[in-house]
Amino acid sequence: AQSVTQLGSHVSVSEGALVLLRCNYSSSVPPYLFWYVQYPNQGLQLLLKYTTGATLVKGINGFEAEFKKSETSFHLTKPSAHMSDAAEYFCAVDSGANSKLTFGKGITLSVRP
Amino acid sequence: EAGVAQSPRYKIIEKRQSVAFWCNPISGHATLYWYQQILGQGPKLLIQFQNNGVVDDSQLPKDRFSAERLKGVDSTLKIQPAKLEDSAVYLCASSLGPGNTIYFGEGSWLTVV
Repeated sequence: AQSVTQLGSHVSVSEGALVLLRCNYSSSVPPYLFWYVQYPNQGLQLLLKYTTGATLVKGINGFEAEFKKSETSFHLTKPSAHMSDAAEYFCAVDSGANSKLTFGKGITLSVRP
Repeated sequence: EAGVAQSPRYKIIEKRQSVAFWCNPISGHATLYWYQQILGQGPKLLIQFQNNGVVDDSQLPKDRFSAERLKGVDSTLKIQPAKLEDSAVYLCASSLGPGNTIYFGEGSWLTVV
């Protein structure tokens, strides 16, 4: 079985500040890990993914995430928040051969001017 | 490249009525998914197709929900009869197959009153 934990439901940062969204996972096999972003009234857009290899992965819009097996974590970061980053962010894990994503409950990011 | 298309975007029905959602995946994508996203929660997989065969429908409430992908391309998801708790966004997604990126449509928003 696989699961994802995203603690908290809302994060608020000032424009230009560091963004840190936390994600912890549970998986019985080496996982594939994903971050998706959802803007209001839109579908999910892939930000970045970790499959194998380098544990620090870079995605779109300046986001990156680091896979830490020892901590079972895959936290999402961005050095400097922009107003356009305000959205809901979902962490997801896939640890099965059939590529079935299990999502966390999501975190809403607000960016203050 | 066209994305995953879904219709209708919005639907309001009374409880005990029926509703159907349609999905056209990205051309050439063999795997198709239907997810249910209740407000404040992450998406939950309802059913996964590989071509026109069902891979996983373990979380599909089969007493009221049905889905088909007859020719291995388009898919429909039907709810009959609808309950208040079915109010959610129904997301269709597709991928080339296991291990490939999963792309999401913009979703079909269902309100049951």
